[in-house]
Amino acid sequence: DADVTQTPRNRITKTGKRIMLECSQTKGHDRMYWYRQDPGLGLRLIYYSFDVKDINKGEISDGYSVSRQAQAKFSLSLESAIPNQTALYFCATSDRGAGQETQYFGPGTRLLVL
Amino acid sequence: AQSVTQLGSHVSVSEGALVLLRCNYSSSVPPYLFWYVQYPNQGLQLLLKYTTGATLVKGINGFEAEFKKSETSFHLTKPSAHMSDAAEYFCAVSDETGTASKLTFGTGTRLQVTL
Repeated sequence: DADVTQTPRNRITKTGKRIMLECSQTKGHDRMYWYRQDPGLGLRLIYYSFDVKDINKGEISDGYSVSRQAQAKFSLSLESAIPNQTALYFCATSDRGAGQETQYFGPGTRLLVL
Repeated sequence: AQSVTQLGSHVSVSEGALVLLRCNYSSSVPPYLFWYVQYPNQGLQLLLKYTTGATLVKGINGFEAEFKKSETSFHLTKPSAHMSDAAEYFCAVSDETGTASKLTFGTGTRLQVTL
């Protein structure tokens, strides 16, 4: 079984709709992240969380919100989707402490906003 | 703030040829540096990382990278390319020295391997 899972894997929605992307992990890591990937732009950080009570904005948080429901779950919401949010979204996790800085990525959610 | 520059969005090599993917970084603190690989329709997988110690680091699939502080570089190499190496490669830098461990990624280099 995959350590970091994302649902759904693909989603098509319409402008103005609210959608939620979900991420779950079985690695027991404290830290979780949401990125979006756009061609030619690499990955950009949307939000990150270092524990259940900690939520932080990343580089491009406008138009997004997150919820850390438990240590293992971190959800990303688009309150009112717009076409330029069409992208590939990745969840990642990492542990804390020296030597634990590697991030582990889920398989991604491909989102198309019409 | 950290930043990463990957020179060349597309690199094409022949099978058996040397692979060289370039990465330069900017960091206000001693950096942690990473190379990730993304195969088609998959997530990112760690190839190798530099944190402290030896500046030449070896990773999976025969890849290695050398941290050169004076050149602010962390180029990725492989002596002999294989068809299975065709993928997109991302260099990243972390600000782990603070309370954060956020990664800043480069824009990626797509490697094509031809016969």
